[in-house]
Amino acid sequence: EVQLVESGGGLVRPGGSLRLSCAASGFTFKNAWMSWVRQAPGKGLEWVGRIKSETDGGTTYYAAPVKGRFTISRDDSKDTMYLQLNSLRIEDTAVYYCTTIQGDYWGQGTLVTVSS
Amino acid sequence: DVVLTQTPLALSVTPGQPASISCKSTQSLLHRDGKTYLYWYLQKPGQSPQLLIYEVSNRFSGVSDRFSGSGSGTDFTLKISRVEPEDAGVYHCMQSVQLPRSFGQGTKLEIK
Repeated sequence: EVQLVESGGGLVRPGGSLRLSCAASGFTFKNAWMSWVRQAPGKGLEWVGRIKSETDGGTTYYAAPVKGRFTISRDDSKDTMYLQLNSLRIEDTAVYYCTTIQGDYWGQGTLVTVSS
Repeated sequence: DVVLTQTPLALSVTPGQPASISCKSTQSLLHRDGKTYLYWYLQKPGQSPQLLIYEVSNRFSGVSDRFSGSGSGTDFTLKISRVEPEDAGVYHCMQSVQLPRSFGQGTKLEIK
């Protein structure tokens, strides 16, 4: 059974940092391209970025609102993807989901609240 | 960037009746590989999104055949042949033909 489990969310002040993790199981993680998607309270889904498999170069791509502030990485030895969030803004408040690249599997999400 | 516009943004349907949601793109979602990268997701209340349809018209594993997707180029439709109470939630379309990927605004389906 495929499982994606996010962790690391919480309350952080504007300008602060947080690192989210996504632990994967039930599939060959090292071959998978992965994405992060977020959802602000009461709003729609917003694509954050993706990371290719290391075999395909491991490159990342980010949506404009987070480019330069967020960094996606992966540790295939731990079947885990990360999202480093820096210079956080109030508008980054959202539930952050990790997904397989086509969205066939999603985690349960982790809430990030940016507030003073 | 590709912008997806869903209509309607909300609809209320009686069980057993059909429902239809449109997703229109500002650019063609046909890739040079011949596939069209348009997806549909359902997010039930309090849950994560779940994949219903991939590449316009392919039902994901375990998805009821009451759900069907159609369309081409820039115009796409999700149809539910006979709505059931468990179909309530927000439906999202997404494109992956071009980076950044993008979602429609979401359509909330209420069951009367």
